Amino acid sequence: NAGVTQTPKFRVLKTGQSMTLLCAQDMNHEYMYWYRQDPGMGLRLIHYSVGEGTTAKGEVPDGYNVSRLKKQNFLLGLESAAPSQTSVYFCASTLKGNKEPPSTDTQYFGPGTRLTVL
Amino acid sequence: KNQVEQSPQSLIILEGKNCTLQCNYTVSPFSNLRWYKQDTGRGPVSLTIMTFSENTKSNGRYTATLDADTKQSSLHITASQLSDSASYICVVNGGTGFQKLVFGTGTRLLVSP
Repeated sequence: NAGVTQTPKFRVLKTGQSMTLLCAQDMNHEYMYWYRQDPGMGLRLIHYSVGEGTTAKGEVPDGYNVSRLKKQNFLLGLESAAPSQTSVYFCASTLKGNKEPPSTDTQYFGPGTRLTVL
Repeated sequence: KNQVEQSPQSLIILEGKNCTLQCNYTVSPFSNLRWYKQDTGRGPVSLTIMTFSENTKSNGRYTATLDADTKQSSLHITASQLSDSASYICVVNGGTGFQKLVFGTGTRLLVSP
């Protein structure tokens, strides 16, 4: 049981390049999330998904797109990377399958992707 | 504005000693409060989750307390070990869904031999 995995672990991009970050979970979780973590700031929610085929915007969605074509995978895309997107990106998941989960679910995080945009 | 403030920002203690980390929040409405441990270069790991009606929750040598009236929480670490060196993040859920989580900036703890 690998839990939540993320690929790649590190990436360096030039301004304007595009890339996709992949998150995978093997716990059959319905909900998945993408966060970014910057120095001196708490984790901030970028996008999230409440089930296969659904996505929703979080606190800081601009410049990012997501897709949840399969229940176990949640992709985060940067179409035209900017230096302001230099950050550590974390994927997370929670179990609940209904639309309004009791929020005492345990949230499981992946190991993170460190992205640098030059 | 919904905020979670943690203190101190960083802390150094000797192995075997106890310590207490503080968390003050202004998040409303309140659903629950979580403490996470984040090792350097890793993702956060859940330590405790407390709802409005819970005053204390333990997980091994970690004990979290919650005072919902004063909107304060603390995380007490007993008999610290070198492996406790990490950042500890306080998170408040301001609603029924995880999209309402408000994360603190964390307290960086270093346990010295």
